[in-house]
Amino acid sequence: NAGVMQNPRHLVRRRGQEARLRCSPMKGHSHVYWYRQLPEEGLKFMVYLQKENIIDESGMPKERFSAEFPKEGPSILRIQQVVRGDSAAYFCASSPPGPGELFFGEGSRLTVL
Amino acid sequence: GESVGLHLPTLSVQEGDNSIINCAYSNSASDYFIWYKQESGKGPQFIIDIRSNMDKRQGQRVTVLLNKTVKHLSLQIAATQPGDSAVYFCAEGDFNKFYFGSGTKLNVKP
Repeated sequence: NAGVMQNPRHLVRRRGQEARLRCSPMKGHSHVYWYRQLPEEGLKFMVYLQKENIIDESGMPKERFSAEFPKEGPSILRIQQVVRGDSAAYFCASSPPGPGELFFGEGSRLTVL
Repeated sequence: GESVGLHLPTLSVQEGDNSIINCAYSNSASDYFIWYKQESGKGPQFIIDIRSNMDKRQGQRVTVLLNKTVKHLSLQIAATQPGDSAVYFCAEGDFNKFYFGSGTKLNVKP
């Protein structure tokens, strides 16, 4: 039973380019979360999605960031026109319906040059 | 958002000793708390959880204590091993949303 799969694990972009991070939740999980982590810091909530629905995006920056979880395929976190401050590790987590722990992927590390 | 903080950013313990990692939370309405362990370059791993209707829960070598009166959470690791070296995060939340603290780095000295 595969865990939460994230790709790419490492991504390098130049300022102004777009970054797309993908997350496939664990089998049977319908809830996906994205968190951002800066070096030596905790995880900051960004967005919570269910299939075809954004449930809570209160942690998402208002500009340039978007997320989706389509009916088919992985969840995508998209960052347009990246800036150096976007450099971070982005973690995806999934959970089944109902309250319970989040299962995390290994993260995607974005470096903006 | 709500804030979850930690008293000690770094903790060094001798191998074989017990470790105690503390966490303060601010949302008295939170009803679910989780401790995660994160090794360098990896994603957080679940250690143990506790619901607000409990004040103590034990796992294998780990115990979580919850004091709702002072909004304090702690993780106790018995007989700490080198493999326990990592950053530990507490997370508080409700049905589907969790907030994480900034983490405590645990160094286990041989």
